[in-house]
Amino acid sequence: EAGVTQSPTHLIKTRGQQATLRCSPISGHTSVYWYQQALGLGLQFLLWYDEGEERNRGNFPPRFSGRQFPNYSSELNVNALELEDSALYLCASILTQQGSGFFGPGTRLTVL
Amino acid sequence: GDSVTQMEGPVTLSEEAFLTINCTYTATGYPSLFWYVQYPGEGLQLLLKATKADDKGSNKGFEATYRKETTSFHLEKGSVQVSDSAVYFCALTEFDAGNNRKLIWGLGTSLAVNP
Repeated sequence: EAGVTQSPTHLIKTRGQQATLRCSPISGHTSVYWYQQALGLGLQFLLWYDEGEERNRGNFPPRFSGRQFPNYSSELNVNALELEDSALYLCASILTQQGSGFFGPGTRLTVL
Repeated sequence: GDSVTQMEGPVTLSEEAFLTINCTYTATGYPSLFWYVQYPGEGLQLLLKATKADDKGSNKGFEATYRKETTSFHLEKGSVQVSDSAVYFCALTEFDAGNNRKLIWGLGTSLAVNP
């Protein structure tokens, strides 16, 4: 069984640009969570998608957005990038009934 | 609101030492509890879980017992190895009143094991 995949592995942008990060969950998993892991801050919850709908979002500004496609893959968009957006962005795929998450390797976003 | 509190790191141990990483939680309902591990340069992996009070999760020599009376889920290992060096995250998940699943994380505890 393939694990959670994320792309790209690394992404370098400059301030003001937009970044798009992608996540493909494990087959059969309908829930996708996005997290930001900034240095020294642990995991910060960003967004939760289930069955194609946004179910919840964390305490992040609206320039962080995303969507979930019919095949349950997901996209995270960050507009008007700021230096402090530099972080590892993790996607978790969750089989709703089990509750435990499987994480992708992450996308390292660097904003210069 | 619901929360997870872990002991602050970094924790530094010698090989074969006993490990305890404390985790306590607050929750309004009956959460499931998890420990995740993040090895250097890798993504997070589920280490173990417990879904109800008094359950003991175990994997790779690690154990944690769901203690409802003390709202704790401390991670333990009797003899750590250098390969256990990683960041460990405690987490809980439960459904809220709107039947939405919440997944709440601790900030992580870094463990370094020296040979």
